[in-house]
Amino acid sequence: DAKTTQPPSMDCAEGRAANLPCNHSTISGNEYVYWYRQIHSQGPQYIIHGLKNNETNEMASLIITEDRKSSTLILPHATLRDTAVYYCIVRVAGGSQGNLIFGKGTKLSVKP
Amino acid sequence: GAVVSQHPSRVICKSGTSVKIECRSLDFQATTMFWYRQFPKKSLMLMATSNEGSKATYEQGVEKDKFLINHASLTLSTLTVTSAHPEDSSFYICSALGRVAFLSTDTQYFGPGTRLTVL
Repeated sequence: DAKTTQPPSMDCAEGRAANLPCNHSTISGNEYVYWYRQIHSQGPQYIIHGLKNNETNEMASLIITEDRKSSTLILPHATLRDTAVYYCIVRVAGGSQGNLIFGKGTKLSVKP
Repeated sequence: GAVVSQHPSRVICKSGTSVKIECRSLDFQATTMFWYRQFPKKSLMLMATSNEGSKATYEQGVEKDKFLINHASLTLSTLTVTSAHPEDSSFYICSALGRVAFLSTDTQYFGPGTRLTVL
């Protein structure tokens, strides 16, 4: 699986948009970009994933560059409960070979 | 949808005893489940991949005789930590590979984790 690079930490003001970047310059054509987050002492929570088109759901938006070498997760209106470690992971979809490899992620701190 | 449960959420045991952790996919069938371990301030580390009806595949460095995995049905996988020692104290997290109606690809959904403390 391709490796990803994320900033170790970021701050965001409550109510503002949080933009979390991820570099994945060695991504393969069949690899998806997945985002998960882990709130302290809980299991990781699925947020969103995409292949090449931008994606949006009730939690966030995922913007993938045209060359697919980087992406940005956007939380449109961050709340204090969004404080968590956010993981960007690239992998092929489905199948037993598609287990997730977690890096260090970005620790997002949402401040009042 | 896509809910994964774990039981127990927290367990304290004496050194030398065995502990069983259950992982269930509540609203979807999962032919593949994964077991992870997480030490304080560290990222998740994959321990093993569990396929329904077959033997689990363990990652390098994980003792299969110590961490027994059974995936007897499409909704249940169990991890048994045998002869637990204090160094086995950790946060154990399972995940299940499944597909919900609005997604086009299989996705891993995680349980809430089990905090194991071995005295």
